[in-house]
Amino acid sequence: DAKTTQPPSMDCAEGRAANLPCNHSTISGNEYVYWYRQIHSQGPQYIIHGLKNNETNEMASLIITEDRKSSTLILPHATLRDTAVYYCIVSLNAGGTSYGKLTFGQGTILTVHP
Amino acid sequence: DTAVSQTPKYLVTQMGNDKSIKCEQNLGHDTMYWYKQDSKKFLKIMFSYNNKELIINETVPNRFSPKSPDKAHLNLHINSLELGDSAVYFCASRPRGGTGYTFGSGTRLTVV
Repeated sequence: DAKTTQPPSMDCAEGRAANLPCNHSTISGNEYVYWYRQIHSQGPQYIIHGLKNNETNEMASLIITEDRKSSTLILPHATLRDTAVYYCIVSLNAGGTSYGKLTFGQGTILTVHP
Repeated sequence: DTAVSQTPKYLVTQMGNDKSIKCEQNLGHDTMYWYKQDSKKFLKIMFSYNNKELIINETVPNRFSPKSPDKAHLNLHINSLELGDSAVYFCASRPRGGTGYTFGSGTRLTVV
């Protein structure tokens, strides 16, 4: 699986958009970009994933550059409950030989402050 | 509730003991996983089962043995526990066609 690079920490004011960057310059054509987050002492939570196109769901938006070498997760209106470690992961989707194995890096610690 | 549930939530045991952690998912997912999160907070995959068949077996000591009696259950048995096995163990599942994982809430294992 391709590796990802994320800033170790970021701050965001409550109510503002949080933009979390991720570099994945060695991503291959059939690898997806996944975002998960882990709130303290809980299991990781799936946020969103994409292949080429930008994606949006009720939690967040995912912007993938045209060359697919980087992406940005956007939390449009961050709340205190969004404080967590955010992981950007590239992985083959199910059906690939890795059966969707997720390789977690260190992630970005996002702190949302009042 | 639909979920991935693990038992027990906390487990404190002495070195050398044998223990099991159980995981059940009622989401109808085909693939289940065990992940280990150590004291440095790194999450590493240990095992994966697809419809009761072992498909991923990372470099894990053979004291760890997963068992999947059916596709809704994936248990983890650990023999001869060592201090270094202390960690949080997460079970997860994923549907065919691959959207996101659903993780359990974790089992915090402490070996003393």
